[in-house]
Amino acid sequence: EPEVTQTPSHQVTQMGQEVILRCVPISNHLYFYWYRQILGQKVEFLVSFYNNEISEKSEIFDDQFSVERPDGSNFTLKIRSTKLEDSAMYFCASSALDGGETQYFGPGTRLLVL
Amino acid sequence: ILNVEQSPQSLHVQEGDSTNFTCSFPSSNFYALHWYRWETAKSPEALFVMTLNGDEKKKGRISATLNTKEGYSYLYIKGSQPEDSATYLCAFIIPEYGNKLVFGAGTILRVKS
Repeated sequence: EPEVTQTPSHQVTQMGQEVILRCVPISNHLYFYWYRQILGQKVEFLVSFYNNEISEKSEIFDDQFSVERPDGSNFTLKIRSTKLEDSAMYFCASSALDGGETQYFGPGTRLLVL
Repeated sequence: ILNVEQSPQSLHVQEGDSTNFTCSFPSSNFYALHWYRWETAKSPEALFVMTLNGDEKKKGRISATLNTKEGYSYLYIKGSQPEDSATYLCAFIIPEYGNKLVFGAGTILRVKS
């Protein structure tokens, strides 16, 4: 069964460093998302992406964040200069269609900023 | 501010018990509600997408109902098994904001054998 994959599963970085989190969405899906969960808090939306551009972004998704679909398969989230408060589990998701269609989630990347 | 609430926060039951939990969401501008099952170190697994008032969906021993007029959904597990232990998340979708999912905090279920 097709699934969303994410790499790495864990990443530890120093404050101020750049990180790139990678995702391979399900191959025929057209809509891509990043969410995160800070420990003890709710899963929160970061950004959605369709047709090679951002559809919607949250107030968390500031200039330090960017997303890219560099080729036909990968979808990346870059954090340019990490802060301590960026420590979280980051989930990628994809869906085939618009609207209420199921979003399929990857297993997440746990990011720890020291 | 759109808020999705889930209760209880956690639940400990014995194997064979049936259980249910609640997801409350804003009843206005409803589009769809998603239920996910999330085991530690795994991907959140999509269980149901509920769209119509009165919807009832079933997957094995797990079922869900939806009341859009009063803004709640129930998830039921019949005859809980240890493998049902997980966090159950509901999420309200906002299509006009890029299909953004707004999540509740989840209900942690632990089933003891």
